[in-house]
Amino acid sequence: DTAVSQTPKYLVTQMGNDKSIKCEQNLGHDTMYWYKQDSKKFLKIMFSYNNKELIINETVPNRFSPKSPDKAHLNLHINSLELGDSAVYFCASSQDGGGYYEQYFGPGTRLTVT
Amino acid sequence: AQSVTQPDIHITVSEGASLELRCNYSYGATPYLFWYVQSPGQGLQLLLKYFSGDTLVQGIKGFEAEFKRSQSSFNLRKPSVHWSDAAEYFCAVARQGAQKLVFGQGTRLTINP
Repeated sequence: DTAVSQTPKYLVTQMGNDKSIKCEQNLGHDTMYWYKQDSKKFLKIMFSYNNKELIINETVPNRFSPKSPDKAHLNLHINSLELGDSAVYFCASSQDGGGYYEQYFGPGTRLTVT
Repeated sequence: AQSVTQPDIHITVSEGASLELRCNYSYGATPYLFWYVQSPGQGLQLLLKYFSGDTLVQGIKGFEAEFKRSQSSFNLRKPSVHWSDAAEYFCAVARQGAQKLVFGQGTRLTINP
């Protein structure tokens, strides 16, 4: 019973390609997030959605487009991939977005752009 | 803007020894404070959190943390570490009412047998 799942776990692709990462949570949470963890393990929020509505967009290049078809899913589509996009991408969810509730993280998707 | 500093990038302790991981934050008011652990190849798991009240908070796996407002610190402690505690530890802060978690750069913990 995985609470927050992501697919794929690993993604290797070439510069210029377009790719998507999918995230699903079965916790009934209202808020979902995407984080990027760089090679130095630094974690930074990219987006958050509350009930399918975009709440946070942290000056992420518009090549990154999140999509939330329903509140259990938050997918991340990346256009024209660049070398600097190589990172581990984590999806997370929480009961609501007020900071009070624990964020549950998925296992991560390691993206390698060659 | 909030920021979080974890001064120690890498710490090595012997199994059975005590542990303290440091975390300092910068924020005008009392924030929500968190410690997360990331085992190799895994996502993050919440160890404990502080919102208000008692400044010493207990978490899972025998961890505790103490909020010290005067020092803007939220250090994580464990009296006796186990080999399974080897992982990356992240301190994080959130403004009350805000969704955004701001993470420190992490401290990698290695356990010597």
